[in-house]
Amino acid sequence: SQKIEQNSEALNIQEGKTATLTCNYTNYSPAYLQWYRQDPGRGPVFLLLIRENEKEKRKERLKVTFDTTLKQSLFHITASQPADSATYLCALDMGTGGFKTIFGAGTRLFVKA
Amino acid sequence: EAGVAQSPRYKIIEKRQSVAFWCNPISGHATLYWYQQILGQGPKLLIQFQNNGVVDDSQLPKDRFSAERLKGVDSTLKIQPAKLEDSAVYLCASRPDRASYEQYFGPGTRLTVT
Repeated sequence: SQKIEQNSEALNIQEGKTATLTCNYTNYSPAYLQWYRQDPGRGPVFLLLIRENEKEKRKERLKVTFDTTLKQSLFHITASQPADSATYLCALDMGTGGFKTIFGAGTRLFVKA
Repeated sequence: EAGVAQSPRYKIIEKRQSVAFWCNPISGHATLYWYQQILGQGPKLLIQFQNNGVVDDSQLPKDRFSAERLKGVDSTLKIQPAKLEDSAVYLCASRPDRASYEQYFGPGTRLTVT
């Protein structure tokens, strides 16, 4: 079955720097991959989706890459701000059709002022 | 546009008791999901509805969990009887249509089983 690996250790960076989070998967290549943000006590919020035939996607200060050879997605936040501090979840389609999604455990990001 | 509503926000019960969670998705969203999120883990899909039909409930512990979505709108998730390991946040999410992958999540219900 598909497994998603995200760095369980928190990422601490200085304000203004670029944060890079990694999502690795172990089995089949998903048709699409999503990134969500989750703040404490709240539900995840959708950020970006990238499809298997796309290499890179951008939205404001966010950039996602998708390498199906490495079975990896990288999520970048440029010019990071303390307000970017949150847990970031990677999510893949389960490959069984029907828009079912499997989520990674997430990586906690702390941006220090 | 109103978001996904869930209630209650918090619930504490003793093991072997029963509990029910309610979800009201975004108006017009055909697909509704229930997820279980244990502390430190990502959301795990329990059940998916398309309108009022079940699309997938392969990860729902059917001996104790049940869910329904009457009239294809609101949904209820029930646990009976609860176990200690059911302590988690129960998230409801909805998705607009077949062309969109983006899921909209509610705030979740935090369940503590003692």
